[in-house]
Amino acid sequence: GENVEQHPSTLSVQEGDSAVIKCTYSDSASNYFPWYKQELGKRPQLIIDIRSNVGEKKDQRIAVTLNKTAKHFSLHITETQPEDSAVYFCAASKGSGGSNYKLTFGKGTLLTVNP
Amino acid sequence: NAGVTQTPKFQVLKTGQSMTLQCAQDMNHNSMYWYRQDPGMGLRLIYYSASEGTTDKGEVPNGYNVSRLNKREFSLRLESAAPSQTSVYFCASSELPTGVTEAFFGQGTRLTVV
Repeated sequence: GENVEQHPSTLSVQEGDSAVIKCTYSDSASNYFPWYKQELGKRPQLIIDIRSNVGEKKDQRIAVTLNKTAKHFSLHITETQPEDSAVYFCAASKGSGGSNYKLTFGKGTLLTVNP
Repeated sequence: NAGVTQTPKFQVLKTGQSMTLQCAQDMNHNSMYWYRQDPGMGLRLIYYSASEGTTDKGEVPNGYNVSRLNKREFSLRLESAAPSQTSVYFCASSELPTGVTEAFFGQGTRLTVV
């Protein structure tokens, strides 16, 4: 099955700096890559996603890039703020029917933004 | 609009006891999921229900059973709890399979088995 590796496991940045979290996946058939943010004690929430027909997607201060050849995708957060502090999860899926649509999550990155 | 609601929020069980975690969604979603979250392990899929009337095993199904009671409700049962099942459990739902559309999570159930 699919295997998603996520790095780093912890990341500490100064407010205003950029943060980058990287994920690799094993199944070349995967075509849907969401990112979830989980604040301490809260539920995971989708912040951005990308499909395999797109190389990059932006939403204000966050962006995701995808390299299908290398089978890796990354989350970029610019101008970080203390409220960006959370655990971020990447995930991958084949996005089709049957068992193929299950999301496989990375193990998470704890991002700390220091004021 | 409550979204996805789980009960209870906290539970302590003794080894060997049984319990059922309840989940309900009011978004008219077809697909529902149960995940467990352990430190450093991410979110692992226990069981899922692609649509009302169907259930399938996920990555870590051993020790659990599920019931898709109707379109709104999806319960997770631990028949004989073990300390290894100490975890935070999340229910989620999506309009279409999670490989296609966003998954919405409940607030979680923190379960401790002693």
